[in-house]
Amino acid sequence: KAGVTQTPRYLIKTRGQQVTLSCSPISGHRSVSWYQQTPGQGLQFLFEYFSETQRNKGNFPGRFSGRQFSNSRSEMNVSTLELGDSALYLCASSLAPASVETQYFGPGTRLLVL
Amino acid sequence: KNEVEQSPQNLTAQEGEFITINCSYSVGISALHWLQQHPGGGIVSLFMLSSGKKKHGRLIATINIQEKHSSLHITASHPRDSAVYICAVRFAMGETSGSRLTFGEGTQLTVNP
Repeated sequence: KAGVTQTPRYLIKTRGQQVTLSCSPISGHRSVSWYQQTPGQGLQFLFEYFSETQRNKGNFPGRFSGRQFSNSRSEMNVSTLELGDSALYLCASSLAPASVETQYFGPGTRLLVL
Repeated sequence: KNEVEQSPQNLTAQEGEFITINCSYSVGISALHWLQQHPGGGIVSLFMLSSGKKKHGRLIATINIQEKHSSLHITASHPRDSAVYICAVRFAMGETSGSRLTFGEGTQLTVNP
């Protein structure tokens, strides 16, 4: 069974631009969570989607948004990029809501904002 | 103060040594995870615990709910165990708010041959 895939793997953007990252969960998994990892803040929860509904959102500004499609694939969008948005963005999937299941992580998308 | 504290931050060991990484948290939790992150960023979930002890190969994870503390042990360490080990907890809040993970800062483990 294929693992969690994320595209693109690497991305360079400039301040003010917007970016969309994609996550394809393991087949059959309905929950997708997104995380941001930076050297200064470590890993932080962004949001979780289950069956196309956002279940929970972390403490990030409204520039960060996401959605989940009927096939469980998820996208996250960051508008008006700032230098501080440079990070590794990880998604993780699980069969059931993430609160009761082990999550499987993707390889991440490394975003650099110049 | 971080809600999840890990120690030590850095750990260097010789191959074959027994290793312990500690994690403490501030309030009640519904589950605790131990994650492993290799250079390049990929994360692997090692254990999910809500009580007691779990073992997988050379890895053992324990949790003491009353003391709000968990440990990850590696027996007979090997250079391939070199990675960052991260503790993450789900706080015992409501059904939806409890789905967020809060992470420790990680422990960088280096095992020398």
